[in-house]
Amino acid sequence: DGGITQSPKYLFRKEGQNVTLSCEQNLNHDAMYWYRQDPGQGLRLIYYSQIVNDFQKGDIAEGYSVSREKKESFPLTVTSAQKNPTAFYLCASSIVLADSTDTQYFGPGTRLTVL
Amino acid sequence: RKEVEQDPGPFNVPEGATVAFNCTYSNSASQSFFWYRQDCRKEPKLLMSVYSSGNEDGRFTAQLNRASQYISLLIRDSKLSDSATYLCVVHMEYGNKLVFGAGTILRVKS
Repeated sequence: DGGITQSPKYLFRKEGQNVTLSCEQNLNHDAMYWYRQDPGQGLRLIYYSQIVNDFQKGDIAEGYSVSREKKESFPLTVTSAQKNPTAFYLCASSIVLADSTDTQYFGPGTRLTVL
Repeated sequence: RKEVEQDPGPFNVPEGATVAFNCTYSNSASQSFFWYRQDCRKEPKLLMSVYSSGNEDGRFTAQLNRASQYISLLIRDSKLSDSATYLCVVHMEYGNKLVFGAGTILRVKS
């Protein structure tokens, strides 16, 4: 089945720890994105990548890092510098970078809680 | 002013009712608009794109009003399974990105 997978589904982190969220897609999409969703707020863009070995900061990149070594994979690291990391993290992909007519497909998300 | 604004609701309606949501956007240069549906604790999924001429998909109708900078979603003959959060999404030419509204909660009751 084609799609986007994210793991783990739930993640608990102690303060001061770095954690890495996995995102894999087999849709052969060039563009991938990471969003964060908090209660009562819209999705906010953390990082995006339109091609392997290239990525750009989104609106709230501070405290996060990414890599894009393979087309299929776009892992997100939440570092200890992120002051309020508890949130629902969503990975998405599209054929091209946010083309005005292109659909973004989302993975099932990772719910991160800082203890 | 937020780039995309929605009434958070919740809209509580009985089965079979017709319900409409509006969404306003701030950037008059925006060209593309979408409605996504998000179930509780799940990922958003595209419901429909919104075209200038309006479009209909079964019980769902989306309209665009560029002059007033809003889009709407009309759901006819509501089903229990329509209960979800509906996200308004606007493609911003500046920065070439999608901007998501916070969502409108719909609860359909029997």
